[in-house]
Amino acid sequence: AQSVTQPDIHITVSEGASLELRCNYSYGATPYLFWYVQSPGQGLQLLLKYFSGDTLVQGIKGFEAEFKRSQSSFNLRKPSVHWSDAAEYFCASDTGRRALTFGSGTRLQVQP
Amino acid sequence: GAGVSQSPRYKVAKRGQDVALRCDPISGHVSLFWYQQALGQGPEFLTYFQNEAQLDKSGLPSDRFFAERPEGSVSTLKIQRTQQEDSAVYLCASSPRTSGPTDTQYFGPGTRLTVL
Repeated sequence: AQSVTQPDIHITVSEGASLELRCNYSYGATPYLFWYVQSPGQGLQLLLKYFSGDTLVQGIKGFEAEFKRSQSSFNLRKPSVHWSDAAEYFCASDTGRRALTFGSGTRLQVQP
Repeated sequence: GAGVSQSPRYKVAKRGQDVALRCDPISGHVSLFWYQQALGQGPEFLTYFQNEAQLDKSGLPSDRFFAERPEGSVSTLKIQRTQQEDSAVYLCASSPRTSGPTDTQYFGPGTRLTVL
């Protein structure tokens, strides 16, 4: 069965600093991979997705993610964090059956 | 345009009561999904519809959970004889096509269910 692991439950960064959120997946083949953001009272919003091809994926709000098959990872990055980026971030995978498998999330706090 | 809407946003039920949660997908979206998100956890898949057909219900935790989408648009998730472990946020998502996982799922704000 597939699984998604987000090792960091909570991360705090200073505004303007760079950010990397970790995600590891467990599946025999390459799954479809996603990053979603969830703000309080808001629905999950898709930041970016990877299916195939270029392993560096650009998303909305200045986020990018890199797929590394050798490490079974799909880490999310942003070069300069803004206070409005404070939220919960979820990595997810889909092996083709349309059901997303989510990690447990990483809560991002941004210090002024 | 309007996104996915869910109602009610908050629901408090006494243990043993039946509840019904409603999802209005984006107009014209073919696929509809239900997820359950326990406190401090990521969402977990419950069930998936393509139009009115329920193609996957493997995530429903027990036979107390039932979902329907009779006309291929609005969907209702019903939980019978609620238990405290049913307390969670129930998320609905829709996607425009049936082309598989490349099709983005758009999520609603969720219904927070608290069972006392």
